[in-house]
Amino acid sequence: KQEVTQIPAALSVPEGENLVLNCSFTDSAIYNLQWFRQDPGKGLTSLLLIQSSQREQTSGRLNASLDKSSGRSTLYIAASQPGDSATYLCAALNSGYSTLTFGKGTMLLVSP
Amino acid sequence: DTEVTQTPKHLVMGMTNKKSLKCEQHMGHRAMYWYKQKAKKPPELMFVYSYEKLSINESVPSRFSPECPNSSLLNLHLHALQPEDSALYLCASSQLVADTQYFGPGTRLTVL
Repeated sequence: KQEVTQIPAALSVPEGENLVLNCSFTDSAIYNLQWFRQDPGKGLTSLLLIQSSQREQTSGRLNASLDKSSGRSTLYIAASQPGDSATYLCAALNSGYSTLTFGKGTMLLVSP
Repeated sequence: DTEVTQTPKHLVMGMTNKKSLKCEQHMGHRAMYWYKQKAKKPPELMFVYSYEKLSINESVPSRFSPECPNSSLLNLHLHALQPEDSALYLCASSQLVADTQYFGPGTRLTVL
């Protein structure tokens, strides 16, 4: 059974810092890995999707990397802003396409 | 347009009530999902409807029953719920099961 772990559980940084969120998964037989953002009480917003054959994806200030062999993905946020404050979730789609397994998330607070 | 809509936004119901949650997308996506999310927990997959076939998480009790009237709609019928079923219910859709999932804003359900 796939298990996804995110470290740290919470992170507080001043505005302007670059930061890295970590995600690890136990079963490397994944089809893709997705990063989402969730604001309190809201739905999820898709940020980046990395196919298992890819090493990284970039969107604006966000860069996500994937190392299947070590079971790790990182989300890099450059020049953080208060509007980046949210919970960030990573999720692994298993190769059978049947289940998207989520980590518990990293709660990010960026202070002005 | 990458919008998934859910109604109602909030629902309070008694344990003897019957209610339904509605999810709609007009992106031509072939897969739709229902997730349950408890406070400070990641979403848990309940149902997947893709290519006119329903897949069920076996841990989901029978008091939850999905219905797919057409390719754009996925309803979730609720009957005889328990207080522990109170949660945020999220709907999502994707072009194919292996593609990026787009989430709706969720329905906040409270069972008294």
